[in-house]
Amino acid sequence: GQQVMQIPQYQHVQEGEDFTTYCNSSTTLSNIQWYKQRPGGHPVFLIQLVKSGEVKKQKRLTFQFGEAKKNSSLHITATQTTDVGTYFCAGSLNSGYSTLTFGKGTMLLVSP
Amino acid sequence: DADVTQTPRNRITKTGKRIMLECSQTKGHDRMYWYRQDPGLGLRLIYYSFDVKDINKGEISDGYSVSRQAQAKFSLSLESAIPNQTALYFCATENRGNTEAFFGQGTRLTVV
Repeated sequence: GQQVMQIPQYQHVQEGEDFTTYCNSSTTLSNIQWYKQRPGGHPVFLIQLVKSGEVKKQKRLTFQFGEAKKNSSLHITATQTTDVGTYFCAGSLNSGYSTLTFGKGTMLLVSP
Repeated sequence: DADVTQTPRNRITKTGKRIMLECSQTKGHDRMYWYRQDPGLGLRLIYYSFDVKDINKGEISDGYSVSRQAQAKFSLSLESAIPNQTALYFCATENRGNTEAFFGQGTRLTVV
């Protein structure tokens, strides 16, 4: 079945450093979504990417979808302590008709 | 009030007991999902429903059953709980078309 691999599993950075998490699918995706889960919280939607090669920015966060629509990345510039949490990618094979397959997540810890 | 409400929030039960986790939503979404989260394993899909008369097994449905009583309600049952079903359970909703998923606050279930 479809697999979505996410690396790294865990990263600890100093505040102000950059952070990147990578997501790779075993199959071509229709779209990919990113979620953030704060400690003790529930996943919250960040963004959806649909087009090949798409790049979207949300303040310090930059999301990319690969040309082959099989990989994606989330980059955070100049991390802050508020960025702490686990970041999940979730891929869909067939827009509108399939379910999301989640990666295992990258846990980000930011030290002040 | 939360758009997606899960009850109970925490539950400790004994091996062999039947337990039901409930989810209700006020978003008017057709699609509802039950996920299980274990440390390091991300979110795994248990069951999902695209409308009231539709029930589908997910990646890890064994030992679980569901009921979609109405558009707004989706219940997850463990017929005979076992310790390896100890986990954090999330309900989620989504409007048709593979848009963002909205998660409940989660139910932490412990089977002793």
